[in-house]
Amino acid sequence: GAGVSQSPRYKVAKRGQDVALRCDPISGHVSLFWYQQALGQGPEFLTYFQNEAQLDKSGLPSDRFFAERPEGSVSTLKIQRTQQEDSAVYLCASSLEAAGLGNIQYFGAGTRLSVL
Amino acid sequence: AQSVAQPEDQVNVAEGNPLTVKCTYSVSGNPYLFWYVQYPNRGLQFLLKYITGDNLVKGSYGFEAEFNKSQTSFHLKKPSALVSDSALYFCAVREISGAGSYQLTFGKGTKLSVIP
Repeated sequence: GAGVSQSPRYKVAKRGQDVALRCDPISGHVSLFWYQQALGQGPEFLTYFQNEAQLDKSGLPSDRFFAERPEGSVSTLKIQRTQQEDSAVYLCASSLEAAGLGNIQYFGAGTRLSVL
Repeated sequence: AQSVAQPEDQVNVAEGNPLTVKCTYSVSGNPYLFWYVQYPNRGLQFLLKYITGDNLVKGSYGFEAEFNKSQTSFHLKKPSALVSDSALYFCAVREISGAGSYQLTFGKGTKLSVIP
């Protein structure tokens, strides 16, 4: 596609439910990033994939958060047993090359997760 | 650890006047620096970046930014503001090497309002 696509755009979950957020990066992009953006804050790094390899998951806030990119293209961010503090916009970004050299990251519109 | 500070939550400027959105950063080594803009319900859009070379960087929509190593600053500027420039602006930094080199670290954002 022309840009990074994320689905769903909005997700409402009851506390304790599991959710799965999907990211379709720009075709051919090697790098894929997930960020969490709380209300009134800047995006915060969650995890990074180079192709199918998850090279950095240091930003995942707890073991309830899990991300995968099994074929090096589409990625899924899964949150188990959602809590109210998980409410945020989850942004996905992709870049053409492996992270480094100041590559531009292209962002999707995000998934707004509300946990009730 | 790398960090970004955007000291102003909001900047108001009259249409046609010059605008400045401030950003300072902290990294252990040399930085890659970025500016992104976010419109409501949209993802972040890349404006410009500093990698190396000329300290004055020109980007999209007439924006420019000046890298000042001694002041660790990377302020965003535009000579003549448009109403359509009203949006949320984020400064971001990444170290050229080291453990944090995969991660973009963002500031909290500055809301720019251009008054007709």
